[in-house]
Amino acid sequence: DAGVIQSPRHEVTEMGQEVTLRCKPISGHDYLFWYRQTMMRGLELLIYFNNNVPIDDSGMPEDRFSAKMPNASFSTLKIQPSEPRDSAVYFCASSPHLPGGSPLHFGNGTRLTVT
Amino acid sequence: QKEVEQNSGPLSVPEGAIASLNCTYSDRGSQSFFWYRQYSGKSPELIMFIYSNGDKEDGRFTAQLNKASQYVSLLIRDSQPSDSATYLCAVRGGTSYGKLTFGQGTILTVHP
Repeated sequence: DAGVIQSPRHEVTEMGQEVTLRCKPISGHDYLFWYRQTMMRGLELLIYFNNNVPIDDSGMPEDRFSAKMPNASFSTLKIQPSEPRDSAVYFCASSPHLPGGSPLHFGNGTRLTVT
Repeated sequence: QKEVEQNSGPLSVPEGAIASLNCTYSDRGSQSFFWYRQYSGKSPELIMFIYSNGDKEDGRFTAQLNKASQYVSLLIRDSQPSDSATYLCAVRGGTSYGKLTFGQGTILTVHP
């Protein structure tokens, strides 16, 4: 099992540019999550999908952020236009569906720096 | 009130001692509880999960859950310097089944 795969590992971009982060979940997992981590705010849930359908996007900061999951093996998080305050580590995670809940498996994250 | 609260620490214990990490949550309907460890610059990794009231032991780690008090804890026995990391409490279920919410994390330092 290759685990959750995220790309790129690092992204440096200028303010105003579009940024696209990519994620491949573990095969067979029904849930996919996007989190953002900063020193000030910790791990924040941005959005999560169940069977490719967005369930809760209340954590998406504003309209500049969008996420898609066109199929069970791929998801993207897009920021357009990017701003310096978007600088953070973005994690993708997936989990299977188990009664009572199941733990998340995290990717290695994408460190985004917006200058 | 935050959904999941942890003391940010830092918590410092000597090598060989017991480290006790605490977490409270606000959603009384929460069903599953997780402890993750995160080393600096790395992604969170699962240590333990617990679903039922009481204690659950796994090696040097013991998770304790008290749903009536909305409280979950993690005990690390015989702490080692390699246990130095940030420990994240996470809660899933309740009003939003799939959603998993993290606390801010507690920084643990184990000194030789």
